[in-house]
Amino acid sequence: GDSVTQMEGPVTLSEEACLTINCTYTATGYPSLFWYVQYPGEGLQLLLKATKADDKGSNKGFEATYRKETTSFHLEKGSVQVSDSAVYFCALTASAGTASKLTFGTGTRLQVTL
Amino acid sequence: DAGVTQSPTHLIKTRGQQVTLRCSPKSGHDTVSWYQQALGQGPQFIFQYYEEEERQRGNFPDRFSGHQFPNYSSELNVNALLLGDSALYLCASSLVSDEQFFGPGTRLTVL
Repeated sequence: GDSVTQMEGPVTLSEEACLTINCTYTATGYPSLFWYVQYPGEGLQLLLKATKADDKGSNKGFEATYRKETTSFHLEKGSVQVSDSAVYFCALTASAGTASKLTFGTGTRLQVTL
Repeated sequence: DAGVTQSPTHLIKTRGQQVTLRCSPKSGHDTVSWYQQALGQGPQFIFQYYEEEERQRGNFPDRFSGHQFPNYSSELNVNALLLGDSALYLCASSLVSDEQFFGPGTRLTVL
C-alpha cells in the first residue's frame, strides 16, 4: 500500500541555520505530495504541496521539489527561525483531487534555538 | 470566517464506554474526513463523508462509525473503547476535490 517515510527527529538547529527534512514515498500511480506543520497544541496546517513530477512547492521560505525518479519530496529552508519550531509531516494522496485520504509520515520535530 | 471547529477539546473515558466527537466544517465545505493521531505518530485516516454518505474508509474496526448531517457537520462515534483508542482525533473539511483544512482536534484519553 501507499506509505511515507520521514527522517526521525528531533532535529535541533540554531537560528539562521539551513534545514533539510528528508521524505520518501511509495505509491502506485501519480500521487500528490504535501508538507503539513503542527505547532504545539494546534491542528495541522498545510505548508506546501506539489501535484506532479518536477513541481516545486513553496511557502514562508520553505521549499520542496517532487522528484519522481527518487520518489522523494524533501523539505528545505535556507534560514530557520525560532518560530519554525514545530512538527513537520510529509503526506500524499494517491487519488486525483486533494480531498482524497491523506497518508502521513510519522513526523519530524524541529527545534530551533537562539 | 470560522475555520474547522471540534468539540469537546478534551475527553476522558474508561474502557468499554462509548464516545461521540463532533466537527463543524469550514463554511462552504461539503466533505469531512476524520483522522486518529496517536502520540508521536502521524495521523491515520479513519473515514470520509460526502453528501451524508461514507465515501472512503481506512483500516479501522467497525467500532468506529460516523455520520454527516445535512448541514455538513459530522460526528465520530467509537464504541467499546480500548486503551489503544487514546489519541488526538482530527477532523478535516474540504470541498470534494480540494485542499483539506484541519481542526484543532479532540484529545481522547481512555483509562
